[in-house]
Amino acid sequence: DSGVTQTPKHLITATGQRVTLRCSPRSGDLSVYWYQQSLDQGLQFLIQYYNGEERAKGNILERFSAQQFPDLHSELNLSSLELGDSALYFCASSSQTDLNYGYTFGSGTRLTVV
Amino acid sequence: QQQVKQSPQSLIVQKGGISIINCAYENTAFDYFPWYQQFPGKGPALLIAIRPDVSEKKEGRFTISFNKSAKQFSLHIMDSQPGDSATYFCAASIRDTGRRALTFGSGTRLQVQP
Repeated sequence: DSGVTQTPKHLITATGQRVTLRCSPRSGDLSVYWYQQSLDQGLQFLIQYYNGEERAKGNILERFSAQQFPDLHSELNLSSLELGDSALYFCASSSQTDLNYGYTFGSGTRLTVV
Repeated sequence: QQQVKQSPQSLIVQKGGISIINCAYENTAFDYFPWYQQFPGKGPALLIAIRPDVSEKKEGRFTISFNKSAKQFSLHIMDSQPGDSATYFCAASIRDTGRRALTFGSGTRLQVQP
């Protein structure tokens, strides 16, 4: 157990629908990162939150949004889903005081859009 | 351009052999270069990392070699074992206050044959 918890583990939904993925970071970590992993594109950075505030944006679609709550858990919202959104979505957390900048990843949520 | 190029895409090595995975980057502002190991169904896990002020770092059977002038770094797995069979990702990040999003290579699927 990495200490980063992601739910659900699997999600199957239809095109056009909206889903919410949840992430609880490792205890004490203030930063949360979301990554998308698909077969042909590796790990793509989506967005980072630090202590409730958005810190960096990557290749996140406008149909996607995220937030980090006061208890530091984060949610990634995916709307108007398309077949191409099927992927593994990973959450990672890190400590601001970790001089090695190490990330701890969760086990991911596998999203299948049918 | 924040891009990290990784090769080979896949690698087959005999047990006891040396596995070598290479990465090249473009952005000279990158100052942290980790390697992640991912097993099927799991999130990536930090394996070993290096900063640009050293040319080599060794942890057990895993060694990172870093060539700053060539903007290249590589992972060497000595005495490769079947349990090392996994996907390996190189990554890089910029020391930008509060923004430590990693840029990942495309991954190398390593298979160690017994």
